[in-house]
Amino acid sequence: GDSVTQMEGPVTLSEEAFLTINCTYTATGYPSLFWYVQYPGEGLQLLLKATKADDKGSNKGFEATYRKETTSFHLEKGSVQVSDSAVYFCAVANAGGTSYGKLTFGQGTILTVHP
Amino acid sequence: DVKVTQSSRYLVKRTGEKVFLECVQDMDHENMFWYRQDPGLGLRLIYFSYDVKMKEKGDIPEGYSVSREKKERFSLILESASTNQTSMYLCATLLYGYTFGSGTRLTVV
Repeated sequence: GDSVTQMEGPVTLSEEAFLTINCTYTATGYPSLFWYVQYPGEGLQLLLKATKADDKGSNKGFEATYRKETTSFHLEKGSVQVSDSAVYFCAVANAGGTSYGKLTFGQGTILTVHP
Repeated sequence: DVKVTQSSRYLVKRTGEKVFLECVQDMDHENMFWYRQDPGLGLRLIYFSYDVKMKEKGDIPEGYSVSREKKERFSLILESASTNQTSMYLCATLLYGYTFGSGTRLTVV
């Protein structure tokens, strides 16, 4: 089945630092790739997505590029803020077959940004 | 915007109790999912449903069952709660994109 491996956390950064959270996946066919964010006490929100190779998803200053050759979807932000402190999940979804689009998640990376 | 509502934010139950977690959506989405979230393990799929009265096992269905009598409601049932089912439970729907509820934190004592 599909699987996702995320960079181990927690990650602690100072405000305005550069962020990278690594994500690699294994999946058959042509999956879609996602980053979700969970702020303290809340449910998951879609941060960005990419549906085909070389697509770049972006939102709120975060970016990730779908790299089929390296099966990766690393999350980056040039200058983090305290408000970016959250748990970040990488996920893969196969829309075809009998999976009905189910998401397979990585283990999550806790990000803490200090002023 | 689609709204996915989980009936309880926090729940405390005793070992051996039968527990119902409810999830209701306000749109006509066919696909609904139940995940559990545990630190260091991410989210793992318990069950999903692609239509009324239809259900499919996810990756960790043991100890759980589900019910989908109406399109808008998808219930997760713990037949006999155990302490290892203490977790955060998240419901989601899918139509062109996923929408998650805010979760139910269940503690089994």
